Amino acid sequence: QVQLVQSGAEVKKPGASVKVSCKASGYTFTREAMHWVRQAPGQRLEWMGWIDARNGNTKYSQTFQGRVTITRDTSASTASMELSSLTSEDTAVYYCARVELTVGGYYFDYWGQGTLVTVSS
Amino acid sequence: QSALTQPRSVSGSPGQSVTISCSGTSSNVGGYNFVSWYQQHPGKAPKLMIYDVTKRPSGVPDRFSGSKSGNTASLTISGLQAEDEADYYCCSYAGDYSFVFGGGTKLTVL
Repeated sequence: QVQLVQSGAEVKKPGASVKVSCKASGYTFTREAMHWVRQAPGQRLEWMGWIDARNGNTKYSQTFQGRVTITRDTSASTASMELSSLTSEDTAVYYCARVELTVGGYYFDYWGQGTLVTVSS
Repeated sequence: QSALTQPRSVSGSPGQSVTISCSGTSSNVGGYNFVSWYQQHPGKAPKLMIYDVTKRPSGVPDRFSGSKSGNTASLTISGLQAEDEADYYCCSYAGDYSFVFGGGTKLTVL
């Protein structure tokens, strides 16, 4: 069965960077895409960007352009999201979510458990 | 991309039906048949309930249905049950390999 397991909670100071990982299992990682979505406390879901695990191509939301980098390690079936220049407004739960490119999917069928990132001085 | 517009809250009694709307533009909801809906219980990850406007993933009860007219998509839940109480989010493909979510709707089962 498909599983996405994310790295643990992080506490960072303003101005720092954070890197969250997402290990995939139960499917062929390099055939599909991995997206990142965040949710600030009590707020809506916010799409951040994605990586095509087939070739490493990325696309980022304009909201995060220049601050976010999404990468993949095909040998480890892992996608990662790094967010820089953190402020308190980046305090949120960060989710990875799969999109099944092989069926022409435009929806997130499996989600990681979420990683809480707290930005505090 | 501005968020899609959803009502902040809806409510209904057990057994009743409720509909949640999701308004966008011709650049997202109206321009593509790629609207999906997610259910989120407190402290949990979202769960896919509807995709491609009207399709239900395996395991999702047929009480959940989706539709679209113009720039507005809708999620209808019939035969409300207590476990349906959750937050619901719509999401649309917005072209150029980008996506946009709605603001979320809190469903209360009275």
